[in-house]
Amino acid sequence: GAGVSQSPSNKVTEKGKDVELRCDPISGHTALYWYRQSLGQGLEFLIYFQGNSAPDKSGLPSDRFSAERTGGSVSTLTIQRTQQEDSAVYLCASSLPGLAGNEQFFGPGTRLTVL
Amino acid sequence: SQQGEEDPQALSIQEGENATMNCSYKTSINNLQWYRQNSGRGLVHLILIRSNEREKHSGRLRVTLDTSKKSSSLLITASRAADTASYFCATGKSARQLTFGSGTQLTVLP
Repeated sequence: GAGVSQSPSNKVTEKGKDVELRCDPISGHTALYWYRQSLGQGLEFLIYFQGNSAPDKSGLPSDRFSAERTGGSVSTLTIQRTQQEDSAVYLCASSLPGLAGNEQFFGPGTRLTVL
Repeated sequence: SQQGEEDPQALSIQEGENATMNCSYKTSINNLQWYRQNSGRGLVHLILIRSNEREKHSGRLRVTLDTSKKSSSLLITASRAADTASYFCATGKSARQLTFGSGTQLTVLP
C-alpha cells in the first residue's frame, strides 16, 4: 500500500478483556516496529521485527503483551487481560533495513481506551 | 531513561518568526532524526542527520548536530500556523530501534 495502515483507529474495551491491534506495513519494508505513546508523552519502544530474525521483544512491558508478524508483512499486537494503564496510542512503523537505522514510516495509530 | 530530551517542552511564537528546538542525548549515535506529530497520532519524518554531518537543510528546516556536546538543534524559519505540532528527536544507534525524546510542543500563532 501507499503507507502504513493500522486498525482499528480507535478501540474501547473493558478492563480484563483481550485486544488485538493490526499493522500493515509498507510493501517491501522488512523492518517493523511497535511503539506506545501515553497522553502527552514521547514514544515508548515495544518490539522490533526484522525479516526472518527473532524479534526484539525487550520493550514489552509485561507478559500480557505479545506480537506476531506473519509472512514478514502484517503484524498483530495482542494485549491480554487489559488494564487501565494500557490506555494509550499504539503506533506501528516500518522501514527499509539498515545497520544504522533508517527513516521510519509511521501509521496513524490505534487509540486504545481501557475502561 | 529517555535517550533524547527536547528543550523547551513547549514553545509559542508568532507566525513568521523562527522556532528553535534543542535535543540532548547521552550515548554515542549513528544518526539523529527529527519527527513531527500532529494531533497525537502518526509521526512524520522530517530530516535525518548522520553522526559525521554537522548541518543539514531541508526547505525551511535547518538541523545541526554537535557530537562533542551530544546535542542537536532544529530551526524552522518563517514559521506558519501549519507548523503547529509536537516535534521529537530520535537517536539511532542501531537498526533495532529509535529512542525518542518527550517532544517539544510548538504553537505558531497567526
